[in-house]
Amino acid sequence: GQQVMQIPQYQHVQEGEDFTTYCNSSTTLSNIQWYKQRPGGHPVFLIQLVKSGEVKKQKRLTFQFGEAKKNSSLHITATQTTDVGTYFCAGYNNAGNMLTFGGGTRLMVKP
Amino acid sequence: DAGITQSPRHKVTETGTPVTLRCHQTENHRYMYWYRQDPGHGLRLIHYSYGVKDTDKGEVSDGYSVSRSKTEDFLLTLESATSSQTSVYFCAIRQAGRNGELFFGEGSRLTVL
Repeated sequence: GQQVMQIPQYQHVQEGEDFTTYCNSSTTLSNIQWYKQRPGGHPVFLIQLVKSGEVKKQKRLTFQFGEAKKNSSLHITATQTTDVGTYFCAGYNNAGNMLTFGGGTRLMVKP
Repeated sequence: DAGITQSPRHKVTETGTPVTLRCHQTENHRYMYWYRQDPGHGLRLIHYSYGVKDTDKGEVSDGYSVSRSKTEDFLLTLESATSSQTSVYFCAIRQAGRNGELFFGEGSRLTVL
């Protein structure tokens, strides 16, 4: 079945440093979604990318979808303590009914 | 908030006992999902439903069953709980449309002793 992998599993950064998490799928994706989960909370949808090579920005967050639609990345510029949490990528299977999540990258920010 | 409530939010039970977790939604969404979350494994799909009495297995369905007799309720049952089923369980609904985003409930923390 479809597998979605994320690296790194954990990342410690100093406040103000940049952060990037990478997502790779074993199959071509129709789209890629990103979610954020704060400590003790539930996953919250951030964004969806659909087109090959697509780049979207949300303030300090930049999301990219690879040309082959098998990989994606999330880059945070100048991290803040409010960025702390686990970031997940996720992709649907071909039938569009099951959403498979990557293992997540846990971001810790030192003030 | 997409009108999703999970119950119970916390439960401690013993090995071999049956457990049912409930997910209730108020917005008439067709698709509902049950995931479990464990350290190092992210979110893994257990079962999902695409309508009343229409359910299908996810990637980690062994030891779990589900039922959906009404649009608003999706029940997850552990017939005989095991310690490996200690986890945080999240219910989610999917916004209308193919490849829609998921909205998650607050989660149910289950401990099996």
